[in-house]
Amino acid sequence: DGGITQSPKYLFRKEGQNVTLSCEQNLNHDAMYWYRQDPGQGLRLIYYSQIVNDFQKGDIAEGYSVSREKKESFPLTVTSAQKNPTAFYLCASSTSGQGRPFRNQPQHFGDGTRLSIL
Amino acid sequence: LAKTTQPISMDSYEGQEVNITCSHNNIATNDYITWYQQFPSQGPRFIIQGYKTKVTNEVASLFIPADRKSSTLSLPRVSLSDTAVYYCLVDFLKAAGNKLTFGGGTRVLVKP
Repeated sequence: DGGITQSPKYLFRKEGQNVTLSCEQNLNHDAMYWYRQDPGQGLRLIYYSQIVNDFQKGDIAEGYSVSREKKESFPLTVTSAQKNPTAFYLCASSTSGQGRPFRNQPQHFGDGTRLSIL
Repeated sequence: LAKTTQPISMDSYEGQEVNITCSHNNIATNDYITWYQQFPSQGPRFIIQGYKTKVTNEVASLFIPADRKSSTLSLPRVSLSDTAVYYCLVDFLKAAGNKLTFGGGTRVLVKP
């Protein structure tokens, strides 16, 4: 059954630590995305990747880093430079091509990782 | 400035039609509008997508007027299980800073 898997579901971080959130998809999608969601708010784009070894900053990239070494995987690192990391993090993927830009394709989301500061 | 605006909440009753409007300024001709449904502690789920006039699928309709400054998601005959938060997403691909922007979400409560 195809989908997106985010792990862990809950994650705790100490002050000054970097943590990495995992996102794996078996949908054979080229594009992948990371969003941050704060309580009662919409999603804000952190980073996105159209293809392996390429990624672009979204609206709130400061304090985050990503890599895209494999098509199936798009891990997000929350660095110590991110001063307010407590949030719900969502990963998504979409196809590309089909006559319109990849960002116009419907996105398939994982069920998120909730990150908290100890 | 790329911005999408939705009502914060709305209540309805089982069997009624629910219409949620999203306002999106500075939208370009081919910028798409997509709607998602989200339940607590889950990722959003795709509902419908379009960029002009009307689109209909098995669960919803999307109406986009000629000026494209807003769009309306229509959910026919809602049930209790439609209680969720609904988000519009606009890809301002060619205008307003090339941003992929979610609205703040509309919390829909369906009552028996």
